[in-house]
Amino acid sequence: KNQVEQSPQSLIILEGKNCTLQCNYTVSPFSNLRWYKQDTGRGPVSLTIMTFSENTKSNGRYTATLDADTKQSSLHITASQLSDSASYICVVSGGSASKIIFGSGTRLSIRP
Amino acid sequence: DAGVIQSPRHEVTEMGQEVTLRCKPISGHDYLFWYRQTMMRGLELLIYFNNNVPIDDSGMPEDRFSAKMPNASFSTLKIQPSEPRDSAVYFCASSFYTARETQYFGPGTRLLVL
Repeated sequence: KNQVEQSPQSLIILEGKNCTLQCNYTVSPFSNLRWYKQDTGRGPVSLTIMTFSENTKSNGRYTATLDADTKQSSLHITASQLSDSASYICVVSGGSASKIIFGSGTRLSIRP
Repeated sequence: DAGVIQSPRHEVTEMGQEVTLRCKPISGHDYLFWYRQTMMRGLELLIYFNNNVPIDDSGMPEDRFSAKMPNASFSTLKIQPSEPRDSAVYFCASSFYTARETQYFGPGTRLLVL
């Protein structure tokens, strides 16, 4: 069964600290993996998109990694800011029917 | 470009009433998606279109839900009759070239069915 699992479910860190969010998937065959940021009351916004051959991709203070062998991805946030408080959603495309599968998200709260 | 536009932003209705949600995708995008988001189930893909043609509607929960895309710049998601369990935020998104490219989401319609 094609699944995307994210951890932790929620996370609270102090402003300025770093954090790492995890995404494990069982989707096969794999097409690509995306990380979205969703602020409260708004639609998701794309942070990164990674294909099979890409191991690391950065977008400012956000760095995503992908290990296609272990089917794991992480999103690392450096020097967190209050504006990073949001839900982060991992989305994997693939599967025999070319599905788009969403993880349940990690709720990140940055405290001053 | 103004991005994906959705209307209304909020909708409150009574059980049994018909609800119509509207979406204008980003100009030039070939794909349009309808999603539903709830606390319990997260984001769920309901249906998506390519060049105005429905490609995958396997996520549509039941016959009460229907979606149309009469032209490249407009789509509707209709619920008839609505039920309290339909209460959710409904997002429309569009993407260019393929369904696997980055999707650009609208602000969503928050639906409450009493």
